[in-house]
Amino acid sequence: SQQGEEDPQALSIQEGENATMNCSYKTSINNLQWYRQNSGRGLVHLILIRSNEREKHSGRLRVTLDTSKKSSSLLITASRAADTASYFCATDVSNDMRFGAGTRLTVKP
Amino acid sequence: NAGVTQTPKFQVLKTGQSMTLQCAQDMNHNSMYWYRQDPGMGLRLIYYSASEGTTDKGEVPNGYNVSRLNKREFSLRLESAAPSQTSVYFCASSEYGPTGELFFGEGSRLTVL
Repeated sequence: SQQGEEDPQALSIQEGENATMNCSYKTSINNLQWYRQNSGRGLVHLILIRSNEREKHSGRLRVTLDTSKKSSSLLITASRAADTASYFCATDVSNDMRFGAGTRLTVKP
Repeated sequence: NAGVTQTPKFQVLKTGQSMTLQCAQDMNHNSMYWYRQDPGMGLRLIYYSASEGTTDKGEVPNGYNVSRLNKREFSLRLESAAPSQTSVYFCASSEYGPTGELFFGEGSRLTVL
């Protein structure tokens, strides 16, 4: 089974609204990362948060981490049509990275 | 500024045929990874190489072999392809292993008939 699971599986919003995606994981981690994938392309790194951090910002992105609940959230503020993509969380497991199934975000213009 | 390059981008095989997916990175990264992506399953790790000269199994290694040819190159081989191996394959690299950012190639779409 996969280490991380995103929720919801799919999300559809209007341009300008905020989008929140959640990730739950099973084992202890050193860090958690979020990635974005446009249709038919490779994944692109968005942000990394370490286990001793609770919140991190990067532009319109805000990530939180709650290690007691083994969960993280990704907030995209003031969404744009260009934010339409799939978003994945990834956690470190021993020497490798494991990914969740992703959230498919659609931002309507 | 190539980053991670995968070849081929598309391939169609018949059941039982063999093939090798090639991956090369030009960022002098130590760690390299092979993932497969299936609809609704996200990415699943097949094999990884923490550093040159080492390889380890991931979640779904059965039916695959890998070679870390040198620091730049990490190949994935299917010895006897099966329809269940129809997928999109991604290679990735990282300077610091799972503690750092992964850089991905654009993917190789494989269909096994």
